[in-house]
Amino acid sequence: KAGVTQTPRYLIKTRGQQVTLSCSPISGHRSVSWYQQTPGQGLQFLFEYFSETQRNKGNFPGRFSGRQFSNSRSEMNVSTLELGDSALYLCASSFTSAEQYFGPGTRLTVT
Amino acid sequence: AQSVTQLDSHVSVSEGTPVLLRCNYSSSYSPSLFWYVQHPNKGLQLLLKYTSAATLVKGINGFEAEFKKSETSFHLTKPSAHMSDAAEYFCVVSDPKGTGNQFYFGTGTSLTVIP
Repeated sequence: KAGVTQTPRYLIKTRGQQVTLSCSPISGHRSVSWYQQTPGQGLQFLFEYFSETQRNKGNFPGRFSGRQFSNSRSEMNVSTLELGDSALYLCASSFTSAEQYFGPGTRLTVT
Repeated sequence: AQSVTQLDSHVSVSEGTPVLLRCNYSSSYSPSLFWYVQHPNKGLQLLLKYTSAATLVKGINGFEAEFKKSETSFHLTKPSAHMSDAAEYFCVVSDPKGTGNQFYFGTGTSLTVIP
């Protein structure tokens, strides 16, 4: 079975721009979660989608949003980028919510 | 409130010696507990999980962890460290929230293996 894939792997954006990241879960997994990882804050939960509905949400501003499609693929969008949004964004999928399987991440650099 | 505390931010061991990475948790429920490993510029890989079955859990690459409810601990061990074990390790607790599970990550322990 193919693992979780994330595109693009690396991205450079300018302050004020917006960005869309994509995540394809493991086949059959309906839950997709997104995390932001930075050296200072560690791993922080952004949100979780299940069957196209946002099921849980972390403490991030409204500039961070996401969605999930009927094939369980998910996208997250960050609008009006700030320097502090530079991070590794990780996507994880799960089948039963008992464990999560992570993708390789998208490294976003905001200049 | 649910939380995870990894007691050491950095651990350094010599190759061939035992590894101990410590994790304490707090949870209002019967938690599921996990250890993940992250190599540089990579995603997280599941090492092992505890989901209320046997308290001694065996994972991949020779790692194991013991769930001790009385001590609220879930320490990760390996009898003999290998150079390839050098990485960041995360202890994770999962609690039910709404209709799903919320995952809480520790701050990570960086393992250095000295040749």
